[in-house]
Formats: sequence, structure tokens, C-alpha cells
Amino acid sequence: GQQLNQSPQSMFIQEGEDVSMNCTSSSIFNTWLWYKQDPGEGPVLLIALYKAGELTSNGRLTAQFGITRKDSFLNISASIPSDVGIYFCAGPSANAGGTSYGKLTFGQGTILTVHP
Amino acid sequence: DVKVTQSSRYLVKRTGEKVFLECVQDMDHENMFWYRQDPGLGLRLIYFSYDVKMKEKGDIPEGYSVSREKKERFSLILESASTNQTSMYLCASSLYLDMGTEAFFGQGTRLTVV
Repeated sequence: GQQLNQSPQSMFIQEGEDVSMNCTSSSIFNTWLWYKQDPGEGPVLLIALYKAGELTSNGRLTAQFGITRKDSFLNISASIPSDVGIYFCAGPSANAGGTSYGKLTFGQGTILTVHP
Repeated sequence: DVKVTQSSRYLVKRTGEKVFLECVQDMDHENMFWYRQDPGLGLRLIYFSYDVKMKEKGDIPEGYSVSREKKERFSLILESASTNQTSMYLCASSLYLDMGTEAFFGQGTRLTVV
């Protein structure tokens, strides 16, 4: 099936630093989603991208839909301690006919640790 | 406020037991999903359902079954629990869209099989 590869697997940063993570796929995705999972909770949607080349911001978060449709990037500026968690990229999987039918494929996650 | 609720946060079961994990959503969504989450592996899809009584296998369905008798409820069943099914289980629901979907997750059930 389709796979998403996230990097880095983990990051240890100081409060105030900027963070960048990315997600790549061997096949085209029509939508890219970025989720954050706080410790002990389920993932929560941060940003959704629907168009190749799209750049979208949500507060200190900025995400981009790669022009090739095979990658996406998430940046966090001026990190704070509550940014700690696991960040997942995800995209809807296509069936044999090439249309998305609602099943999400997730990356392995990037574990972010922020030191005060 | 949208809500996906899983019946238990923590569960400890014995090997060989039949285990039921329940999930309810209040958003009238067509699609519901069960994932398991393991360190370094991300979220892996077990089963999903796109309508009442309809189900489809995900990437790792072996050892699991599901039931969707009502639109708002999706149950995951471990027919005979084994220690390698110790994991975090996450339920999600989504509104069907042709151009992708945004899934809303429950808080997770951490299952330990001893």
C-alpha cells in the first residue's frame, strides 16, 4: 500500500528555536494533513492542504504542499514548551481506480521535545 | 464541539480473552476507523467502515474484527487477545469528501494483554 516517510524521527530543541519536519511519499497524494498528538491524547488536526504548491499558516505553524504532490513540510516558529508531542503527516489513500475513498495513511511520526 | 468517545482509557486483559473496544461519534459521520499506534510505527489502520454494516480491512486486520450496527458506533473486537496486541488503540471518524478527509480522533485506549 501507500507509505509516508517522515523525518526526522525525533527532535530535541531549545525553547524559542524554529522547527522543520517533512513527509515524503513514493506516490501522489491529493491532500496532505498534519496532526499533533499530545501525550496521552488522540491526534488533533493542525493544518490541511488541498492544492499542490499551497502554503498555509495556523499561528506559529506553516505547512506546504509540495509541487510534485509527493511531499509536504511543517514548520514551527519560536517553539514553546507546549509544542511537545508527536507530529504526524497523513493523506487519504487511493483505491485501484486512483480516487481517494476516505482511508488515511499516516507517517511514522516526529517526536518533538522542547527544553525550556 | 465535535466528539469521538472511546469507552475506556486503560484496559488490562488476559491472553485468550475476547475484548471489545467501543467508540461513539456525535458528528453523523459516514466513515469510522480503528488504528493501533506503536512506537516508531506511527498509526496503522486495522479496519474501517464507510456505512452501517459495511466494513473494509485496513493494513493489519489479522486477529481483529469489527461491528457497525449503528452509524454512531464502531466496535473493535479482539477474538482471542494475545500479548502482541498490547498497544494504544485509536478510533476516528470523518465526513466523506472526494478530495480527502479530515479525521477526528478519540482519546485512545491503552490495552495491555498479560
